[in-house]
Amino acid sequence: KAGVTQTPRYLIKTRGQQVTLSCSPISGHRSVSWYQQTPGQGLQFLFEYFSETQRNKGNFPGRFSGRQFSNSRSEMNVSTLELGDSALYLCASSSTTSTDTQYFGPGTRLTVL
Amino acid sequence: QQQVKQSPQSLIVQKGGISIINCAYENTAFDYFPWYQQFPGKGPALLIAIRPDVSEKKEGRFTISFNKSAKQFSLHIMDSQPGDSATYFCAARDGGGSQGNLIFGKGTKLSVKP
Repeated sequence: KAGVTQTPRYLIKTRGQQVTLSCSPISGHRSVSWYQQTPGQGLQFLFEYFSETQRNKGNFPGRFSGRQFSNSRSEMNVSTLELGDSALYLCASSSTTSTDTQYFGPGTRLTVL
Repeated sequence: QQQVKQSPQSLIVQKGGISIINCAYENTAFDYFPWYQQFPGKGPALLIAIRPDVSEKKEGRFTISFNKSAKQFSLHIMDSQPGDSATYFCAARDGGGSQGNLIFGKGTKLSVKP
């Protein structure tokens, strides 16, 4: 099976802009979780989607949002970008919600100037 | 508030040696403890995982030791190799309610010297 794919891999934006990141889970997986990874804060959970519904949400401002489509592909959106949003955004998929094994994609490196 | 504390931040081990990384947690609702390995430019990859009803799990050169009463768990890498040089993250999942997300430790950067 193909792994989790994320596009784009690298992105440069300026403050105030918005960005949309995409994640395609492993075939057959219905749960997609998003994480933010920074050197200072480490890996932090953003939100989880299962069957097009947001099941869990981390402690991030409302500027961070996401959605999931009927084919389980997911997008996350960050509006009004701030310098502190520069991070590696990781997507992980699993077969069911709250399940054991999460498989991570390579991430999207977002740089905000 | 950090719920999973990982140590050390960095570790240098000679080839063939044993690498030991420790994690501690407070939330007794955690019911699943995976370890992830991450190479530069890559996403984390699941290495090995354990549930609290088991005290030890071994897969090849990798062993998790789990102490439920102390709320601690550790990763042992036997016969460490230069190819093991990576950042290792412990994590825990809150099995209570609908919260299934993973909570990660801050990571340990392992360097294995040839």
